[in-house]
Amino acid sequence: GDSVTQMEGPVTLSEEAFLTINCTYTATGYPSLFWYVQYPGEGLQLLLKATKADDKGSNKGFEATYRKETTSFHLEKGSVQVSDSAVYFCALGAGGTSYGKLTFGQGTILTVHP
Amino acid sequence: GAVVSQHPSRVICKSGTSVKIECRSLDFQATTMFWYRQFPKQSLMLMATSNEGSKATYEQGVEKDKFLINHASLTLSTLTVTSAHPEDSSFYICSARLLQGAYEQYFGPGTRLTVT
Repeated sequence: GDSVTQMEGPVTLSEEAFLTINCTYTATGYPSLFWYVQYPGEGLQLLLKATKADDKGSNKGFEATYRKETTSFHLEKGSVQVSDSAVYFCALGAGGTSYGKLTFGQGTILTVHP
Repeated sequence: GAVVSQHPSRVICKSGTSVKIECRSLDFQATTMFWYRQFPKQSLMLMATSNEGSKATYEQGVEKDKFLINHASLTLSTLTVTSAHPEDSSFYICSARLLQGAYEQYFGPGTRLTVT
């Protein structure tokens, strides 16, 4: 079945450091890929998405490129801020019998210190 | 736009009682809503898919008689945890799909259920 694997956390960085959170997936067909962010005490918010191979999703300085050859969708940001501290979830939406459903990775906790 | 609310945000109930959680799409109509359960430091586990006007589709291993889902209108879905036990204590999150056929989901803030 479909699955998403994220790098183990938690990740702790200093402000202005470079961020990478790895995400790889297993799916049949051509899934859509998403990054969601969950700030403390809040619900999940869509951060960015990509719907086909080589698409780059971007938002708020975050980027992720849909790499079909490596089945990856790594999240990057050039300079993190304290306000980026949150839990980040990689997710895929696939077709077939799972049409419309999202499969989530386990989440990566990011803490940014001043 | 695309705001989803949940009520209540926190609830404490005694073992054996039932609890209802509401999920509302505030500024759009949602033909499909989803209910998830999130354990501490773990990912979201899809419990069921709720379609307006029809029976919910439950994921394998989820007891449909225990977790009753009703999607009576295009803006409201409810999850009722019946005869709750301490092991049902968890964070329950709903989401709504904005467009028919789209994968993108908008999430509510979640409901913390504690069963004593």
